[in-house]
Amino acid sequence: GIQVEQSPPDLILQEGANSTLRCNFSDSVNNLQWFHQNPWGQLINLFYIPSGTKQNGRLSATTVATERYSLLYISSSQTTDSGVYFCAFDNYGQNFVFGPGTRLSVLP
Amino acid sequence: ETGVTQTPRHLVMGMTNKKSLKCEQHLGHNAMYWYKQSAKKPLELMFVYSLEERVENNSVPSRFSPECPNSSHLFLHLHTLQPEDSALYLCASSQDRHGYTFGSGTRLTVV
Repeated sequence: GIQVEQSPPDLILQEGANSTLRCNFSDSVNNLQWFHQNPWGQLINLFYIPSGTKQNGRLSATTVATERYSLLYISSSQTTDSGVYFCAFDNYGQNFVFGPGTRLSVLP
Repeated sequence: ETGVTQTPRHLVMGMTNKKSLKCEQHLGHNAMYWYKQSAKKPLELMFVYSLEERVENNSVPSRFSPECPNSSHLFLHLHTLQPEDSALYLCASSQDRHGYTFGSGTRLTVV
């Protein structure tokens, strides 16, 4: 089946620092999304990005479908950015599969 | 509010109880999903309903029974659960399998 890898598994930042999270996927992509899961379990959609680059405030994402990876950039991190970041994708006709996540802790 | 509402938010049930989780989406999507998130494990897809037709994950025990009466509502009926079934259960919806939106989840504890 299709597989998703994420790195790093854990990341600790000082408030104000920048970071890059990576997602590698095993097949051609139909649907790819980045999510943030807050401490209460809520999964918030950050980007729908099967290809190209998008930006939303301090966050941006880039997917290079031909090389099967996606990057999530967080700039000027804040303590409220803490949580787990998931990448998920599906191939055409396959189910939507989640990666293991990157746990981010932003320290004040 | 994401447009996908799950109730209850928390549930504690005994192993002999029968309970149901409810999910409602207000986005006009045509597919709905149940996911399970256990501690230290990736989110696992349990069930998919697309245009109200079920695509089932074969590894889900029969003590979990989904129901999708229409494109806006999805239920997960639970009976004779085990303690290892304690987890966060997340509902999601999408349009033609693009752009998944998740609810806030039901945190289930089986005692």
